[in-house]
Parts: sequence; C-alpha cells; structure tokens
Amino acid sequence: DTGVSQDPRHKITKRGQNVTFRCDPISEHNRLYWYRQTLGQGPEFLTYFQNEAQLEKSRLLSDRFSAERPKGSFSTLEIQRTEQGDSAMYLCASSLGRTDTQYFGPGTRLTVL
Amino acid sequence: LAKTTQPISMDSYEGQEVNITCSHNNIATNDYITWYQQFPSQGPRFIIQGYKTKVTNEVASLFIPADRKSSTLSLPRVSLSDTAVYYCLVEGNTGFQKLVFGTGTRLLVSP
Repeated sequence: DTGVSQDPRHKITKRGQNVTFRCDPISEHNRLYWYRQTLGQGPEFLTYFQNEAQLEKSRLLSDRFSAERPKGSFSTLEIQRTEQGDSAMYLCASSLGRTDTQYFGPGTRLTVL
Repeated sequence: LAKTTQPISMDSYEGQEVNITCSHNNIATNDYITWYQQFPSQGPRFIIQGYKTKVTNEVASLFIPADRKSSTLSLPRVSLSDTAVYYCLVEGNTGFQKLVFGTGTRLLVSP
C-alpha cells in the first residue's frame, strides 16, 4: 500500500454512459498525475495537477475526459459518453515535489461494454 | 524525453540473480534513471533510481556505466514473488515529471 487510494477499483459500464473515478493522494503531496494503461502496454500520461491547478494535459485526453482537483486534495477523472476504446486501467500517482518519486495507486479498471 | 529499450521478456529460476539491461542512447546530462516494478492489477512501484555508477538499496542494485547510455537493474536471488513487469524510465530534471513508460520487461521466475 503506497498511501494513494483509488475508487472504485473496478467499473463496468455500458457504452455511452458517464463514469467518474476518484483518487486520494498521499496527504502532503502537492502533485497529482493521471495515467491510463491498456493491456500489455506501459502506463501513458493523461494529465497533471500541482495543487488545484491542472498544468498539463496529454492529447490522449479528449474532450470527453475532464479532471478536477478541488482544494488541491483528492482528484476526480470523469469520462463522458464512454466508448469501448476507453476500457483500460486508470492510474493515479502523487509526488511531493518536482523531482520526487511518484507513488501510484492500485488503479481503477474500466470495462466498457 | 529519452527513449528506452529493454528486452520484452526474461525467464529465471528462484535463487538466481537477474540482470535487466536498458539502453537509453539519447539520455541528457540532467536526466536520471528510474526503475519501476508492476504486478498484475496494481500500479507501478518505485524500485530504484540513479544518476551514475552504482546505487544499491534493500531491493536491487542499479549499475550505470560512465557514458550513461545504458543501465542494468540487478535483482539478487529472485523469488517467485519477483515475477512482474519491470520498467526502465529516463526522467528529466526540468519541468514537471511526466513519466514515459515503455512496454517494460516481463520477468517470469519459476521454481
């Protein structure tokens, strides 16, 4: 257990539905990252927060994806109008500073039917 | 960000030493090398990080030659529980730390 928690651990949804995932980072960590991992591949960067500010977004993050980090604590990742291609493991990581180790949560596995 | 190349898979037996080599020919002066381990259905876990020469912790050793164009993760006396995917990453020291993962090395440890 790294101290980063994610909820839910598994989510099955039908195509076209909206889903929201939550990440609770290690409490003193001001940096929070979202990654997506598909089967057989390494994680791919999606977006990054420093405190409550979203400072970077990957081109992978289409306009159906939105992430927030209110008050610089927990973060949510919402996917609207899910597609089968969104099926993946969504990973959250946090770090204390720019060069500090990123600690990953257990991930949320999304299956879109 | 420097691209890394590592073997797709490796097999070993319990009790053996395993060395996984990663090449990163375009590593920049300020870059450092980090290895992560990932078990199925879990997030990656930090193993070790280094800049040059040798780094050792309770889990592994990391060997980096003088030209820093490659690095070798050494796992002493592996056990079945070391079966996992191992990722070599090169991280810059400027800006935010977006980790760039390759496909990793799948290590299978057999009895």
